[in-house]
Amino acid sequence: EIVLTQSPGTLSLSPGERATLSCRASQSVSSSYLAWYQQKPGQAPRLLIYGASSRATGIPDRFSGSGSGTDFTLTISRLEPEDFAVYYCQQYGSSSWTFGQGTKVEIK
Amino acid sequence: EVQLVESGGGLVQPGRSLRLSCAASGFTFDDYAMHWVRQAPGKGLEWVSGISWNSGSIGYADSVKGRFTISRDNAKNSLYLQMNSLRAEDTALYYCAKGDYGDYQSTGAFDIWGQGTMVTVSS
Repeated sequence: EIVLTQSPGTLSLSPGERATLSCRASQSVSSSYLAWYQQKPGQAPRLLIYGASSRATGIPDRFSGSGSGTDFTLTISRLEPEDFAVYYCQQYGSSSWTFGQGTKVEIK
Repeated sequence: EVQLVESGGGLVQPGRSLRLSCAASGFTFDDYAMHWVRQAPGKGLEWVSGISWNSGSIGYADSVKGRFTISRDNAKNSLYLQMNSLRAEDTALYYCAKGDYGDYQSTGAFDIWGQGTMVTVSS
């Protein structure tokens, strides 16, 4: 099973700042099967990025994804108040989907 | 409006069974794979099971294999999860999620999620 490790665990930033979230895989992942989700308290996850770098429908362009192989990044160019949440990366491989443990982006 | 609505959760004793349902609307249900993903209280996300558009291909996480059964009824736009021999570690919020392709093993992302139904396994 491919293990995804997200860092940092918590990111403390102010609105307007840039957020860089990392997702590292224990072995190479196909970019077609790497996605990012946002989850706010009491809500279901929401798809942000699929195929490592494509924004899902309705996702603002301040969200961007990049990376390949074992290292992937989610960048939020300028944090808006509604962006403070937990972010998960997810991959598919060997007939199983796995998620990272999450990065919490909190208001500094 | 694209929507997934789960139901069937509740409090159940260890070793007993429960059946979850997910009602889909707003998209062509029988074009897409569907999945169940769970989240234990205060924890991260765990994929549980997936099923292709025509039920021809099905998969399970090792943690539930042999105990859970996924199924779908395209005529009713509904997805199901039969959970047998429940354990305390199955306690979680269970989400129904839509895959982005018809074959469940081609799912690159879960693009629509329901609000979840809570399952608590406790004596």
